[in-house]
Amino acid sequence: GAVVSQHPSRVICKSGTSVKIECRSLDFQATTMFWYRQFPKQSLMLMATSNEGSKATYEQGVEKDKFLINHASLTLSTLTVTSAHPEDSSFYICSAARDTYSYEQYFGPGTRLTVT
Amino acid sequence: AQTVTQSQPEMSVQEAETVTLSCTYDTSESNYYLFWYKQPPSRQMILVIRQEAYKQQNATENRFSVNFQKAAKSFSLKISDSQLGDTAMYFCAFSGQGGSEKLVFGKGTKLTVNP
Repeated sequence: GAVVSQHPSRVICKSGTSVKIECRSLDFQATTMFWYRQFPKQSLMLMATSNEGSKATYEQGVEKDKFLINHASLTLSTLTVTSAHPEDSSFYICSAARDTYSYEQYFGPGTRLTVT
Repeated sequence: AQTVTQSQPEMSVQEAETVTLSCTYDTSESNYYLFWYKQPPSRQMILVIRQEAYKQQNATENRFSVNFQKAAKSFSLKISDSQLGDTAMYFCAFSGQGGSEKLVFGKGTKLTVNP
């Protein structure tokens, strides 16, 4: 149990376009989902925390208008990179917490975004 | 704010030997959780072991064990009988006691197990 999927696993888009990444909890309801960004050979950097039905909480330095996060249901959160530029190329990982009392997060397999 | 420090960017060990990865953290909280995650070349994050701060007993999971020193704010990971499949990045992480708390990660240690 506790499987999290991400779609797509890889995406290439042109500069100036927008791309959406989906994060789904397949066998549990996730009250909270987290979005991370990971540069090559670096650690995970938390971008934002999203709770179902409410606005996401962004970490300092993360542009809210560029990285749109929607958590419309207890099993789906989406990250939309708007007007993507080559510097947005990165590995994006989501994780999900089972409930508000859960200390454990379950990670998706990640999405590699390349902006050309 | 909580911080997690991993002072060993890279380590290597011979197959079947034991290796210890270091992690220190800083927090003013009394209750919290600590984790070690493994990220193999596939980049899927895998939970290796977790420790609840209020538990004095060190957590163990098969070949993996921790040395949790709360007063020193130290949380090292020992891997016994290292296997080639243990080759990966290892991240130490901290989470507050509250539910659905965000994880604070260290910079990671790249572990290579040599045949």
